[in-house]
Amino acid sequence: DVKVTQSSRYLVKRTGEKVFLECVQDMDHENMFWYRQDPGLGLRLIYFSYDVKMKEKGDIPEGYSVSREKKERFSLILESASTNQTSMYLCASLLAVGGEQYFGPGTRLTVT
Amino acid sequence: RKEVEQDPGPFNVPEGATVAFNCTYSNSASQSFFWYRQDCRKEPKLLMSVYSSGNEDGRFTAQLNRASQYISLLIRDSKLSDSATYLCVVNSGGYQKVTFGTGTKLQVIP
Repeated sequence: DVKVTQSSRYLVKRTGEKVFLECVQDMDHENMFWYRQDPGLGLRLIYFSYDVKMKEKGDIPEGYSVSREKKERFSLILESASTNQTSMYLCASLLAVGGEQYFGPGTRLTVT
Repeated sequence: RKEVEQDPGPFNVPEGATVAFNCTYSNSASQSFFWYRQDCRKEPKLLMSVYSSGNEDGRFTAQLNRASQYISLLIRDSKLSDSATYLCVVNSGGYQKVTFGTGTKLQVIP
């Protein structure tokens, strides 16, 4: 079974703090993704990575950066957290285009 | 027009009923299609892929209509455990072209 884990289920941070969200997958997948999910807006792609040290912007990259130093780990960084970044953050991994995405359990981030 | 559109529901149906959801997509070049299930406060999980020839898995049937650009999900003999949000997912090519619908909420009532 594919397993995708995320470092925290719930996180509360203050405005202006630097926030790190970690994601690890154990299936040797090349591709990893970060989404945020908000009511009425569905899942929106922030960044994805198709290989170590490779990254591509998704639909809403502003205010975020990512790091992929190892194949199994994909980190999302909020350089200076803002209240409009309060959301559910979901990490996913994918073996190949057109296949199934496997999601982590999500991190519910609240920025106060 | 949104790339992928779903009726948000909720669909409230009694146990044993048959229920169907549709999902429309705007990009005629879309290549692959999926239904995911998301339980409350949980991550999405793949329910089934949608093939051009249709796909059936037990009580669940998914179909693709390319001419009208929609996919459908039919659930027969609904169970209480089917209560969830069903997400339509469309891939228009490439990793960044995967679009999720906002989901249709199903509530199966005893």
